[in-house]
Amino acid sequence: QKEVEQNSGPLSVPEGAIASLNCTYSDRGSQSFFWYRQYSGKSPELIMFIYSNGDKEDGRFTAQLNKASQYVSLLIRDSQPSDSATYLCAVTLSSGGGADGLTFGKGTHLIIQP
Amino acid sequence: DGGITQSPKYLFRKEGQNVTLSCEQNLNHDAMYWYRQDPGQGLRLIYYSQIVNDFQKGDIAEGYSVSREKKESFPLTVTSAQKNPTAFYLCASSRGTGGSPLHFGNGTRLTVT
Repeated sequence: QKEVEQNSGPLSVPEGAIASLNCTYSDRGSQSFFWYRQYSGKSPELIMFIYSNGDKEDGRFTAQLNKASQYVSLLIRDSQPSDSATYLCAVTLSSGGGADGLTFGKGTHLIIQP
Repeated sequence: DGGITQSPKYLFRKEGQNVTLSCEQNLNHDAMYWYRQDPGQGLRLIYYSQIVNDFQKGDIAEGYSVSREKKESFPLTVTSAQKNPTAFYLCASSRGTGGSPLHFGNGTRLTVT
């Protein structure tokens, strides 16, 4: 079973709409969850992190965590063409306590259509 | 400005040659990491280090070696034993405490022919 799963997409969303990106993870003991944005040919950049169940908002971005369902999502409001990128979900595994880095999903390719 | 510097940005080598990728950080982070990314794939952990003079293998360490002689530096050597070395290599650092986010360098794209 893959540890972090994401729909690879592409996910196509009209400009101005809400983009919803989803991620599931297999390690029930995972404590920390991260969303990274990666433009083609570039390195990942941190968008959001969330540690507790519920929602966390930062500008146009909202991260949602449901540990019971082992599910984390990222919502992007008022989507802009510049949001077009691959979004990587990452978690810390309970076995390493986070000190051994993050485990990444393969990413969802998001396309915002003008 | 604090950050992580990887060099070179592009690297070309002939099969059978060892090559060393540089990674330097001035964020005063304790932990450093090397990941590999292949097209359509997620990031896979090669090696990590939580403290100077100590490092651990990640999920795909075969064919790679590292050193951590200074807190700021964590070079990665891709040896001739690595069967498929062509990839995008990413160095990252973090405070090292549980749950700390990773900060990435700009990456080195290695092509071996």
